[in-house]
Amino acid sequence: GQNIDQPTEMTATEGAIVQINCTYQTSGFNGLFWYQQHAGEAPTFLSYNVLDGLEEKGRFSSFLSRSKGYSYLLLKELQMKDSASYLCAVRIGGNKLTFGGGTRVLVKP
Amino acid sequence: DTAVSQTPKYLVTQMGNDKSIKCEQNLGHDTMYWYKQDSKKFLKIMFSYNNKELIINETVPNRFSPKSPDKAHLNLHINSLELGDSAVYFCASSQPRADSSYNEQFFGPGTRLTVL
Repeated sequence: GQNIDQPTEMTATEGAIVQINCTYQTSGFNGLFWYQQHAGEAPTFLSYNVLDGLEEKGRFSSFLSRSKGYSYLLLKELQMKDSASYLCAVRIGGNKLTFGGGTRVLVKP
Repeated sequence: DTAVSQTPKYLVTQMGNDKSIKCEQNLGHDTMYWYKQDSKKFLKIMFSYNNKELIINETVPNRFSPKSPDKAHLNLHINSLELGDSAVYFCASSQPRADSSYNEQFFGPGTRLTVL
């Protein structure tokens, strides 16, 4: 079976940094996605990693270690609007994405 | 302007009824998907179509039947609705790349289905 784990909830202060971890055990691996989902809205694409290492995109960075089955999403200079759920998803061959349960991030003033 | 649209946004119905959700994308993508997000926020793939052909069919009750009249539309028909079908259903689309590299999926706004 497929197993993708991420913490359920995290709280951080505006302006701080938060790191959301994702570990996976899947029958295949063809890349890892991070999506952001605000309450009541659709998920929106944040980042994609297929090779080991760090991908940086403005305030957001994503890291992947394939040998460890591990990824993290780093959110810097947190803003109130970053309060959302962050979904880790593994691409298992073709176009199929398997999602973790999501991490709800609450940013406090 | 909307990339992926779904109708209706909200659907409240009685157990046993049959209902449909419609999805349209104007991105010119070849691949479309249906996902179910339950109350615990797990997002699970149900079906995927590529150019009107079914390519992913997860373990979903056969009361759920997708239909793709053309590559811009993917509808979901649900027969004999049950309480457990209550969830948010998301449609998504993506464009496969020739080099098989990543293709991000664009999600619609979701349809919140409540079965009473």
